Amino acid sequence: DTGVSQNPRHKITKRGQNVTFRCDPISEHNRLYWYRQTLGQGPEFLTYFQNEAQLEKSRLLSDRFSAERPKGSFSTLEIQRTEQGDSAMYLCASSSRTERTEAFFGQGTRLTVV
Amino acid sequence: AQSVTQLGSHVSVSEGALVLLRCNYSSSVPPYLFWYVQYPNQGLQLLLKYTTGATLVKGINGFEAEFKKSETSFHLTKPSAHMSDAAEYFCAVAGTASKLTFGTGTRLQVTL
Repeated sequence: DTGVSQNPRHKITKRGQNVTFRCDPISEHNRLYWYRQTLGQGPEFLTYFQNEAQLEKSRLLSDRFSAERPKGSFSTLEIQRTEQGDSAMYLCASSSRTERTEAFFGQGTRLTVV
Repeated sequence: AQSVTQLGSHVSVSEGALVLLRCNYSSSVPPYLFWYVQYPNQGLQLLLKYTTGATLVKGINGFEAEFKKSETSFHLTKPSAHMSDAAEYFCAVAGTASKLTFGTGTRLQVTL
């Protein structure tokens, strides 16, 4: 088990471009989460999946954001028409089905929109 | 609903001194509480967790935390700081489906 893996680690993009991030969770975990962390703040919940079903989305997740988890394995987070305010660290985490158990985090993808 | 307040965005201690990072929480259900550590440009690593049972929980790297229901607190301590402890520390409370609500973090600086 290699833990939660995120790619890329860093992404610099021009405003208005689309970007996509990938997360590979711990293999036996059926819950997968996306969080966003801006400078000097704690991570904020964006969305989560149980298997392939996206069960909750935060109001932080504007319509420019979309997340998928086909076949309940890896997940992708796409941001369309990026804005400078999207610059942040995007963290993926996974956990088992056990209620309110700990989540294991990936290294994150740092997005810079210029 | 859940919320977490971390008092002190920056804490500085001398190497070998006691580390105390404060966390207060609010939870509509019996709280499950966590401390995570984050090194620069890295993800979050779990230090310790409280679910039920013993209120004093021990974690990795010599850290421990005590759950005090009457004070709604879950402060993190370490008897003797090491230079390698310098990092950002986040307290979090778990809601339904293990979604975490984090505090704003405390940056720990360790000086010689």
